[in-house]
Amino acid sequence: EAQVTQNPRYLITVTGKKLTVTCSQNMNHEYMSWYRQDPGLGLRQIYYSMNVEVTDKGDVPEGYKVSRKEKRNFPLILESPSPNQTSLYFCASSFRLAGEIYEQYFGPGTRLTVT
Amino acid sequence: DAKTTQPTSMDCAEGRAANLPCNHSTISGNEYVYWYRQIHSQGPQYIIHGLKNNETNEMASLIITEDRKSSTLILPHATLRDTAVYYCIVRVGSSGGYQKVTFGTGTKLQVIP
Repeated sequence: EAQVTQNPRYLITVTGKKLTVTCSQNMNHEYMSWYRQDPGLGLRQIYYSMNVEVTDKGDVPEGYKVSRKEKRNFPLILESPSPNQTSLYFCASSFRLAGEIYEQYFGPGTRLTVT
Repeated sequence: DAKTTQPTSMDCAEGRAANLPCNHSTISGNEYVYWYRQIHSQGPQYIIHGLKNNETNEMASLIITEDRKSSTLILPHATLRDTAVYYCIVRVGSSGGYQKVTFGTGTKLQVIP
């Protein structure tokens, strides 16, 4: 089954304790992205990756790191989490259709709480 | 990418057509209009996209005005399962690749029995 998986789905942690949220897709998609969702603010893009070893900042990259060493995986790293990073996080991937148009497939989300 | 404006919320009676508007008055000639929806706190789901012509698929129809400054997503026979937040976004399609995407806050559609 074609899908985007995220782990963990739920995480409660403390300020300053490094954590990684994993994202994996099995569709051989070149493009992957991370979003965060907060009440009243909609979905905001954190980082995206056009392909292996190619990443770039989205609208809210501060406090996050990413890496793309393999095509299928795109982990999100919080080196020193803070309470303002408490949010619902989504990973997405997409492919190219005719005419270079991209539709994104989203993972189920990771709910992170930083105390 | 162009900015979009959507109503915060809308209601629709079950079985009737739901028409969700989106304003993208600053859209450029090579920017596509995409629609996604998010049911509760699940991951957003792609619905449909278009450039100039009206589009239809098994989920919905997309009507884009001739000047491309606005569009309407039509769910022809809304059901309770269509209750969701609907996002309209515009982005550039280019051979250079895919760039950052702005979703905004969307329209909360409530389908009423």
